[in-house]
Amino acid sequence: EAQVTQNPRYLITVTGKKLTVTCSQNMNHEYMSWYRQDPGLGLRQIYYSMNVEATDKGDVPEGYKVSRKEKRNFPLILESPSPNQTSLYFCASSLGQGVNTGELFFGEGSRLTVL
Amino acid sequence: GENVEQHPSTLSVQEGDSAVIKCTYSDSASNYFPWYKQELGKGPQLIIDIRSNVGEKKDQRIAVTLNKTAKHFSLHITETQPEDSAVYFCAASRSWGNTPLVFGKGTRLSVIA
Repeated sequence: EAQVTQNPRYLITVTGKKLTVTCSQNMNHEYMSWYRQDPGLGLRQIYYSMNVEATDKGDVPEGYKVSRKEKRNFPLILESPSPNQTSLYFCASSLGQGVNTGELFFGEGSRLTVL
Repeated sequence: GENVEQHPSTLSVQEGDSAVIKCTYSDSASNYFPWYKQELGKGPQLIIDIRSNVGEKKDQRIAVTLNKTAKHFSLHITETQPEDSAVYFCAASRSWGNTPLVFGKGTRLSVIA
């Protein structure tokens, strides 16, 4: 089954404790992206990746890191989480972005709470 | 960069009535306009999209219209059903270059049986 898988789905952590949210897709997609969803603010892009070893900042990259060492994986890293990073996070992928703009496939979301 | 405004933020309709959600965008070069539906506890899912070479597109009970001159596009849902209750997001982007998809803030649609 074609899907985007995120882990963990739920996480409660404390300020300053490094964490990683993993994202994996099995559709051989070039493009992957991370979004955060907050009430009243919609979906805001954190980072995106056009292909392996190619990552770029979105609208709200502060406090986050990403890497794209393999095509299928795009982990989101919070080196020192703070309470303002409490949010619902979505990973998404698509066949291409730009010339081949197409459907974004989203994961089920990861709800993160930073105390 | 692109800015997408979406209205209303919440919408309640009676089952069987129509629902309309409107979006405006700022970048006149944007030419790809998708709509995503997010059900409770799930990620958004594409329901329909339109490109700037057409003015309207229909898929059963949903339709999208685009007015490039006014830079706005709308989602129309006819004969609404309880399963249409969800959060809907519009988005806009250029279909060339590295410009990402920019989303509106979302509309929570409630269909009352």
